[in-house]
This record gives sequence, structure tokens and C-alpha cells, in this order.
Amino acid sequence: AQKVTQAQTEISVVEKEDVTLDCVYETRDTTYYLFWYKQPPSGELVFLIRRNSFDEQNEISGRYSWNFQKSTSSFNFTITASQVVDSAVYFCALSNAETSGSRLTFGEGTQLTVNP
Amino acid sequence: DAGVIQSPRHEVTEMGQEVTLRCKPISGHNSLFWYRQTMMRGLELLIYFNNNVPIDDSGMPEDRFSAKMPNASFSTLKIQPSEPRDSAVYFCASSYAGLYEQYFGPGTRLTVT
Repeated sequence: AQKVTQAQTEISVVEKEDVTLDCVYETRDTTYYLFWYKQPPSGELVFLIRRNSFDEQNEISGRYSWNFQKSTSSFNFTITASQVVDSAVYFCALSNAETSGSRLTFGEGTQLTVNP
Repeated sequence: DAGVIQSPRHEVTEMGQEVTLRCKPISGHNSLFWYRQTMMRGLELLIYFNNNVPIDDSGMPEDRFSAKMPNASFSTLKIQPSEPRDSAVYFCASSYAGLYEQYFGPGTRLTVT
């Protein structure tokens, strides 16, 4: 069985603060993919990043960075110098090709509110 | 390139009526997914297709729900008869080869009264 846990239900920060969203996953397989999606108040789900289980390099894209650590089964997401437009629900997801095909297992999501 | 297209964006119907949701995946993508999102259950995968063939429909709640993909550019999700507990946002998503990132449509907000 696979599972994604986002322990932080809600986070509230003030603009320009850095914020880290936690994601912990469980899987028995050696080949898997991890994803982050953003769901702004408008409702659409926006793909942010994909990582495969063989690539533990951290990724940086502008103010966004991701820290993948297999040793702790974590794939955390950091927003540097947060902005009001970052307010959204963020979902971490896992895809396990060997046992579940293309099924995405989503975490419960973290509601991030960035206050001006 | 156009993203995943869903219609209608909003649907309000009365209990017992048939509802049909439509989806056009991104051209070239060969996997298509239907999800439902509610406050209580979060995001649930209902069914997914690979090369127009249903691969896993274990998430379909009951026989009132059915999905088809007659060709690579069109899919429908039908609820007959609809019930108030079906009220949710229904998302369609597509991906290439099924293992890569899924791109979501804007969703259809369904309200059954």
C-alpha cells in the first residue's frame, strides 16, 4: 500500500517569510514518482514538479525549492520570500508504477495563507 | 497548446436526473483520469484510461457512475440517476505514457439538489 502524509493542515505566514511544506510518503517499491500540485482559490490544479525515485538532487525554480530525501521518505517544498499569490492548497502526490500503474495517491493537502 | 478542456464548468441538476460531464485531453496524451474532489474525501481517483481502454475503475462509487472514452480526444463521465451526495468538483486529467505528470482541467462543479 502507498500513502502520502501532509501533516500540516494549515499554515499562515506574513509576506516575505520563508515557508516549508512537509510531505512524507510510504511505498514498498523502488521505482516511484513524487509530485507537487498547487490549487489556488480559483480551483484548478496546477502541476509544479515531478521527481523520480532515482534522482535525489534538490531542485530550485525561482522562489520554489524541493528537498527529496529517500532516507526519511520525505519530499518537502519550500517557498522563499512568500507572496500573497502563493496562497493556495498544496498537494503532494505519489505514483508507483510497479504496483499501481498510473494511479496518483494524493496527500490531504496543506492550506497556505500568505498575509500582506 | 490548449490544456485539458472540461464542460460544463458548472452544472446544477435535480436528484434523479442524468448528468454527463465531458473532457477533451491534451493532444498526444494517451492516459486520461477522472477525479472527484470533496471537502470530506479530498481528491479521489474514479477511473483511468490508457489508450482509450479503462484500466482501473475501482474508484467508481457505484453502478450509477459510468465512463467512456470512444476516441483519444474525448471522454465522458455519466451519473444516472444523480443524488445530492454526488455534489462535488469533478476533474479530468491527462498525461503522456501514464507515468508522468498529470495535467488537470478546470473542473466541473456539480450540484445536485
